[in-house]
Amino acid sequence: DAKTTQPPSMDCAEGRAANLPCNHSTISGNEYVYWYRQIHSQGPQYIIHGLKNNETNEMASLIITEDRKSSTLILPHATLRDTAVYYCIVRAGGGGANNLFFGTGTRLTVIP
Amino acid sequence: ETGVTQSPTHLIKTRGQQVTLRCSSQSGHNTVSWYQQALGQGPQFIFQYYREEENGRGNFPPRFSGLQFPNYSSELNVNALELDDSALYLCASSLYRGVDTGNTIYFGEGSWLTVV
Repeated sequence: DAKTTQPPSMDCAEGRAANLPCNHSTISGNEYVYWYRQIHSQGPQYIIHGLKNNETNEMASLIITEDRKSSTLILPHATLRDTAVYYCIVRAGGGGANNLFFGTGTRLTVIP
Repeated sequence: ETGVTQSPTHLIKTRGQQVTLRCSSQSGHNTVSWYQQALGQGPQFIFQYYREEENGRGNFPPRFSGLQFPNYSSELNVNALELDDSALYLCASSLYRGVDTGNTIYFGEGSWLTVV
């Protein structure tokens, strides 16, 4: 699976959009981009995933560049409860593989 | 609420002992995987089960073993516990339909294991 690069930490003002970048320059054609977050001592929470197209759900939007070498997770109106470690993961398709490589993630702090 | 439940939530074991952790997958999910998360690190993939067979394994020794039952629930067994096995153990489940369309993988809240 392709590896990802994320900034170790970011701050965001409450109520503003939080834009979390991720580089995955070695991504292959059949690899999906997943985003999870983990609040201290809890299990990782699924946010969103995509292959080529931009995706949006009730939690966030995922913007994938045309060459698929990077992506951005957007939390449109950050709240204090969004403070967490955010993981960008690239996973190969095929075989139902659940082996996600988490890396070190980005620690997002939402400031009042 | 992901529908993935794990037990026990916390336990303490002595070095050299054996431990069994349990996971109930989200209803209808046929694939389960286990992860180890040491303090301050991201989760690391241990292994995955699909249709009661192990079909993927990370860099963990054989003393880490598992089972998946016909109802898709699962167990993680760790023998000869070492101090470094102290960690949060996470179970994740998903539905694989035979064609990978980017299935959503849901995690439980984990079992905290302390080895003393």
